[in-house]
Amino acid sequence: GEDVEQSLFLSVREGDSSVINCTYTDSSSTYLYWYKQEPGAGLQLLTYIFSNMDMKQDQRLTVLLNKKDKHLSLRIADTQTGDSAIYFCAERLYGNNRLAFGKGNQVVVIP
Amino acid sequence: DAMVIQNPRYQVTQFGKPVTLSCSQTLNHNVMYWYQQKSSQAPKLLFHYYDKDFNNEADTPDNFQSRRPNTSFCFLDIRSPGLGDAAMYLCATREQGDTQYFGPGTRLTVL
Repeated sequence: GEDVEQSLFLSVREGDSSVINCTYTDSSSTYLYWYKQEPGAGLQLLTYIFSNMDMKQDQRLTVLLNKKDKHLSLRIADTQTGDSAIYFCAERLYGNNRLAFGKGNQVVVIP
Repeated sequence: DAMVIQNPRYQVTQFGKPVTLSCSQTLNHNVMYWYQQKSSQAPKLLFHYYDKDFNNEADTPDNFQSRRPNTSFCFLDIRSPGLGDAAMYLCATREQGDTQYFGPGTRLTVL
């Protein structure tokens, strides 16, 4: 079955790097996603990685996927105050229309 | 340009008074989703449409219904809202094989 775990809270100073972690249980995941949610807003797709990749870099964002350990991480370089939000990881299984979301990780950036 | 549009952004209703939330998309995606998100929780899938095929989640209460009159529009009807139905309701769309794109959400308050 699907079970996605995330730690709950991260505080980081502006300009530092922040790393958010996520673990999942279903090895048949095809895509893994990171979504950002600011207060009172919907989910904004940040980036995604296909399950046959180990790493994906997109400007300040780096996604690392360890399939053996079923571990996904998101690194945000040069964290800015606008990065303060809740970050959800999600997995999509092969042939499945659904996403399984983690509980979210709140990131607070201290100026 | 907005791609997934939800109206209204804020909706107040009375206990037991039927309410309809609206979602529209300019993406021409064939899959549309409705999620319920309560404070500090991950989005919870209520149901989704694959074209005209309706797919209800097993634990979605009967109080929640949906209509999709055409590709662009999808409605969430709550027949008799209770206090526990106060939440953010998120609509999302997806083209086959692609990622989910979320609208900004409708915040429902039940008095």
